Amino acid sequence: AQSVTQLDSQVPVFEEAPVELRCNYSSSVSVYLFWYVQYPNQGLQLLLKYLSGSTLVESINGFEAEFNKSQTSFHLRKPSVHISDTAEYFCAVTSIKAAGNKLTFGGGTRVLVKP
Amino acid sequence: GAGVSQTPSNKVTEKGKYVELRCDPISGHTALYWYRQSLGQGPEFLIYFQGTGAADDSGLPNDRFFAVRPEGSVSTLKIQRTERGDSAMYLCASSLGGAVVTQYFGPGTRLTVL
Repeated sequence: AQSVTQLDSQVPVFEEAPVELRCNYSSSVSVYLFWYVQYPNQGLQLLLKYLSGSTLVESINGFEAEFNKSQTSFHLRKPSVHISDTAEYFCAVTSIKAAGNKLTFGGGTRVLVKP
Repeated sequence: GAGVSQTPSNKVTEKGKYVELRCDPISGHTALYWYRQSLGQGPEFLIYFQGTGAADDSGLPNDRFFAVRPEGSVSTLKIQRTERGDSAMYLCASSLGGAVVTQYFGPGTRLTVL
């Protein structure tokens, strides 16, 4: 079984400032890792994922996340946020070997970007 | 092509009633998942289909919950004798299946049990 902890439930940040959203996971097996974003009144959208290879993964809109196996973390960062980044962000994991790859989610981090 | 669609977008029902929630996955996706998201929490897994069969239903909370996918495409989540605690956003996701693990989510159905 896996579990995911997102340490911050809310992160207020000013426009053009950097932001880091923390995600730690617990698992007895190797995992794939995901960040999903949920904009107000919309469904979950995949932001980025780590499956294998380089531990630093990037999204098309400037977010990046680094997989750290020793610290069991997958923190999400953006060097300069926009108002449009206001959303809730969810970290998720799934076991590499499990059939079906059901996702285990963290509790979410709500990012509020202020002008 | 079209993404995952879910109907209805909102459902209000009374305690004790029966409800059905529908999910239409991305065309060609063999894997389909249902999750439940309570207010202020992350989604929680309910059930996973590979093709027509429920391959993992370990997340269904009790026997009032049931889901089908008779033709390997559209799925229906059925809740009998609804309770106020069933109020939540019900999310459906699909993926190509096999080694392709990325899941794509629909907009969800918000269920409110009065």
